[in-house]
Amino acid sequence: ETGVTQTPRHLVMGMTNKKSLKCEQHLGHNAMYWYKQSAKKPLELMFVYSLEERVENNSVPSRFSPECPNSSHLFLHLHTLQPEDSALYLCASSQVVGGGGLYTQYFGPGTRLTVL
Amino acid sequence: AQSVTQLDSHVSVSEGTPVLLRCNYSSSYSPSLFWYVQHPNKGLQLLLKYTSAATLVKGINGFEAEFKKSETSFHLTKPSAHMSDAAEYFCVVFSGNTGKLIFGQGTTLQVKP
Repeated sequence: ETGVTQTPRHLVMGMTNKKSLKCEQHLGHNAMYWYKQSAKKPLELMFVYSLEERVENNSVPSRFSPECPNSSHLFLHLHTLQPEDSALYLCASSQVVGGGGLYTQYFGPGTRLTVL
Repeated sequence: AQSVTQLDSHVSVSEGTPVLLRCNYSSSYSPSLFWYVQHPNKGLQLLLKYTSAATLVKGINGFEAEFKKSETSFHLTKPSAHMSDAAEYFCVVFSGNTGKLIFGQGTTLQVKP
């Protein structure tokens, strides 16, 4: 499955570092998402961009900063993270039709982040 | 509000035997439901989806799920498990109110030789 790609696949960083996660979708979709997957917890939606405009951020701490320069690319900028931020970060994309209807989200392989 | 409950956190079957992963949903109107699978160190892959068409939905890799409104269930089944089916499975409902996917806690499927 190469419709949604994420880089890097693994990242280890200290609490004072600044790093960025990248997501790219090749499906022609118009919405992109960041999720956090921690052990033993349901997936947590972090950010939603629809038509390159942020429509949801679910009260995520400001040490996570998303950027969506166009409909195919999504970034998650990280700075001064905490050890509890260690998790799998998943990107997804979908085609949102008029009226806010669903659609099926397609996921990337994720970035495994470890904060020391 | 919509929600899903996966009734088993862990299911273990022998290779070649049937698989049943249970999911109940809560929704005030006709829901859109999904099953996703996640293999170790991989992202989520869509197995199948129900969007108010046929109640029996066929997915990839021989999986299928049946939407039962009377039981508010959307259980995932496969007639014969394969070793490669070992993974985490998520039942998901789409929330029309918020436009979000609501994920269940996940069920770990173990397949023994």
